[in-house]
Amino acid sequence: DIQMTQSPSSLSAFVGDRVTITCRASQDISSYVSWYQVKPGTAPKLLIYAAASLQSGVPSRFSGFGSGTDFTLTISNLQPEDFATYYCQQSHRTPLTFGGGTKVE
Amino acid sequence: EVQLVESGGGLVQPGRSLRLSCTASGFSFANHALHWVRQAPRQGLEWIGFIRSKDFGGTTQYAASVKGRFTISRDDSNDIVYLQMDSLRSGDTAVYFCAREGTYFVLDHWGQGIQVAVSS
Repeated sequence: DIQMTQSPSSLSAFVGDRVTITCRASQDISSYVSWYQVKPGTAPKLLIYAAASLQSGVPSRFSGFGSGTDFTLTISNLQPEDFATYYCQQSHRTPLTFGGGTKVE
Repeated sequence: EVQLVESGGGLVQPGRSLRLSCTASGFSFANHALHWVRQAPRQGLEWIGFIRSKDFGGTTQYAASVKGRFTISRDDSNDIVYLQMDSLRSGDTAVYFCAREGTYFVLDHWGQGIQVAVSS
């Protein structure tokens, strides 16, 4: 199985900050990475797919980068609604696997 | 608007069975693969398995942790995907989400989730 190692597990930030979350795959997965935002009691939301493609309707302050084994999600100008937990996921092959999550608080 | 609504959760004793349903609307259900993902208390997301569209054989794949105990099926006439869970264990306690696959293994729409608690 492909392991996804995400860091940090949590971070503290303020409105207006720039936040970067990293994810490392245990093997080369090209650009097959997606990023999701999860808030308690709500449906998880797709933010980024194919490492850097912004999902329709997602604000442009979210961006993704990377290929191979190393990937990042950046939130520029953090907004109050962005405080949530973020997960990377490899879509290279099954079993699909997620990173451990990063709680932005 | 794409919507996915899970139902059928609740409290169940270890060793018993439970069937979750996910009712879809707002898109061509038959053309999409559907996935199940769960989140145990204070844990991250765990992929459970998926079912392909009939155009791709309608076949299924599962995570090792549930293979042989869980079964995913679909009813394209009523736009419902099911998760049959047998021989439930306390470790299966989680919120269960269904999700639509957009492009290759990208989960572009999710339900709000349904709680399943396995306890005596």
